Amino acid sequence: DQQVKQNSPSLSVQEGRISILNCDYTNSMFDYFLWYKKYPAEGPTFLISISSIKDKNEDGRFTVFLNKSAKHLSLHIVPSQPGDSAVYFCAASARETSGSRLTFGEGTQLTVNP
Amino acid sequence: EPEVTQTPSHQVTQMGQEVILRCVPISNHLYFYWYRQILGQKVEFLVSFYNNEISEKSEIFDDQFSVERPDGSNFTLKIRSTKLEDSAMYFCASILEWADNSPLHFGNGTRLTVT
Repeated sequence: DQQVKQNSPSLSVQEGRISILNCDYTNSMFDYFLWYKKYPAEGPTFLISISSIKDKNEDGRFTVFLNKSAKHLSLHIVPSQPGDSAVYFCAASARETSGSRLTFGEGTQLTVNP
Repeated sequence: EPEVTQTPSHQVTQMGQEVILRCVPISNHLYFYWYRQILGQKVEFLVSFYNNEISEKSEIFDDQFSVERPDGSNFTLKIRSTKLEDSAMYFCASILEWADNSPLHFGNGTRLTVT
């Protein structure tokens, strides 16, 4: 299932700098996108979401951008903090056609160095 | 903040045995889910449950799997005859309603090891 793809398995940034995590999707029926963060031995924790009618959503240090024509979304974290080090999952759903099922990407391991 | 709780955190079972994974969703939530993550692979949807019945299931969720909400608080996943390939982290999740800004809340998972 390659409908949601995170091409970078890992990303390393310096504390205080911007982290940019990317996600591509192929299913044009996806209309709702989410980012989850996951620490070892814990479940995914919701970070931020965006509906397909928007191109940007911001919540504190986290901003998600959606480019529907490119079928691409990104998560910006600024400034990055060491506590942000975790695996970040992009997820998508096609609420009109597939109900509430989420399709996840592979995840990107973010490491923020002090 | 309310949490989804899952027990046990780790379950070891022999191939062919039945296993029941337990979850207590957030109390006022209406939709319940099971996802799994095989080591090194993506988190995959298994099943959704609403109004005491399955609302959607994936191709993974075959006749060996079943879900139940036996009372007002628990939500269980049963695997009737476990296979080696069932070894994975199993995550329960719940949501109040399916709307913007109403995200899925996940539990910390049960690691199932089938030997």
